[in-house]
Amino acid sequence: AQTVTQSQPEMSVQEAETVTLSCTYDTSESDYYLFWYKQPPSRQMILVIRQEAYKQQNATENRFSVNFQKAAKSFSLKISDSQLGDAAMYFCAFNSGGSNYKLTFGKGTLLTVNP
Amino acid sequence: EPEVTQTPSHQVTQMGQEVILRCVPISNHLYFYWYRQILGQKVEFLVSFYNNEISEKSEIFDDQFSVERPDGSNFTLKIRSTKLEDSAMYFCASSQGKGNTIYFGEGSWLTVV
Repeated sequence: AQTVTQSQPEMSVQEAETVTLSCTYDTSESDYYLFWYKQPPSRQMILVIRQEAYKQQNATENRFSVNFQKAAKSFSLKISDSQLGDAAMYFCAFNSGGSNYKLTFGKGTLLTVNP
Repeated sequence: EPEVTQTPSHQVTQMGQEVILRCVPISNHLYFYWYRQILGQKVEFLVSFYNNEISEKSEIFDDQFSVERPDGSNFTLKIRSTKLEDSAMYFCASSQGKGNTIYFGEGSWLTVV
């Protein structure tokens, strides 16, 4: 079974600074997909970024980028130029690409952005 | 942009009552899911649904739970006899398939009293 570990229950960052959220996962599969979802106080789950395991290039999406280290099974999220609206719970998620394509989530990291 | 819609956004029910949570997945998606998030905890997989049948379910999804796609657009989760521990946010989600992003609805917050 796959597991996803987020070792930082809480993080804080100053507005306009950069922060990195950590995520590691465990799987025996070679074909899989990784995601970061953001959950603001409204509790909606919003996709931030996705990464295909077969791609060596790290995904980027505006101020959000990932550092994907396949051998180390690590998938960290970097938020540059942090904004107050980035404050939320961030969940790392793993999709095995198997028959049901379900997501396995980590426990989340609560990000606070200080003005 | 297409989105997953869920109703109701919040429901309060008495223990032992039946609850139906409704979802309209994105129209060209083939895979449908229900996830649950107890307050302060991580999001947990309940069930996946493909080709008009359950493709996988978690150990949480016991005989009290059922899912149905009664027509071409709706996807429902029924809890037959609610318990206090069923209080949670229930997310519906959908996807086109392998490796595609799974899109979530805004959630239905269920409170069992």
